[in-house]
Amino acid sequence: ETGVTQSPTHLIKTRGQQVTLRCSSQSGHNTVSWYQQALGQGPQFIFQYYREEENGRGNFPPRFSGLQFPNYSSELNVNALELDDSALYLCASSYYGQMSYEQYFGPGTRLTVT
Amino acid sequence: RKEVEQDPGPFNVPEGATVAFNCTYSNSASQSFFWYRQDCRKEPKLLMSVYSSGNEDGRFTAQLNRASQYISLLIRDSKLSDSATYLCVVKGVAGKSTFGDGTTLTVKP
Repeated sequence: ETGVTQSPTHLIKTRGQQVTLRCSSQSGHNTVSWYQQALGQGPQFIFQYYREEENGRGNFPPRFSGLQFPNYSSELNVNALELDDSALYLCASSYYGQMSYEQYFGPGTRLTVT
Repeated sequence: RKEVEQDPGPFNVPEGATVAFNCTYSNSASQSFFWYRQDCRKEPKLLMSVYSSGNEDGRFTAQLNRASQYISLLIRDSKLSDSATYLCVVKGVAGKSTFGDGTTLTVKP
């Protein structure tokens, strides 16, 4: 069974730039959720994708957008980067339809905005 | 008030101790509940799901009280390897999962 993978591992961007982060879900999973984790805090829900459509969104502005592909992999795009966007970005996959809804996380992408 | 609240700790306990973590949530429509552990600068890893009847996995016991909107995690016979941050997670509707900010546990020899 292949686990959740994310790329890149680390990224440094300048304020105002755009970034794309990638996630491959665990085999057998059909749902991907993205989270932002700032230092000392728990992960904050950005959004979830199921069947290539957004299926729930947290309190993040529209400059945070995403995609899910037919193979269930996903991208997170952030436009007009701000210094406060510096954080660990986590992707989690799960199987929609499973009662317990357990999510499994990738290792994350650490984004630094300067 | 945060949707999911945890005591941040830190909890510093000796090996072999029993330690309990608590978590409260505000949304009574919440559907599923979990405990994750997160090691420093790593991703969260699922520790256990929490069921209304309570559940146990080895040294770990989780309980849910829907009436009080309260979740707990009990760790018995603590090991050095249990040192981590423990995250309480509550799933609501429309795919949204809300994490607490975590409780830090350090187990000392």
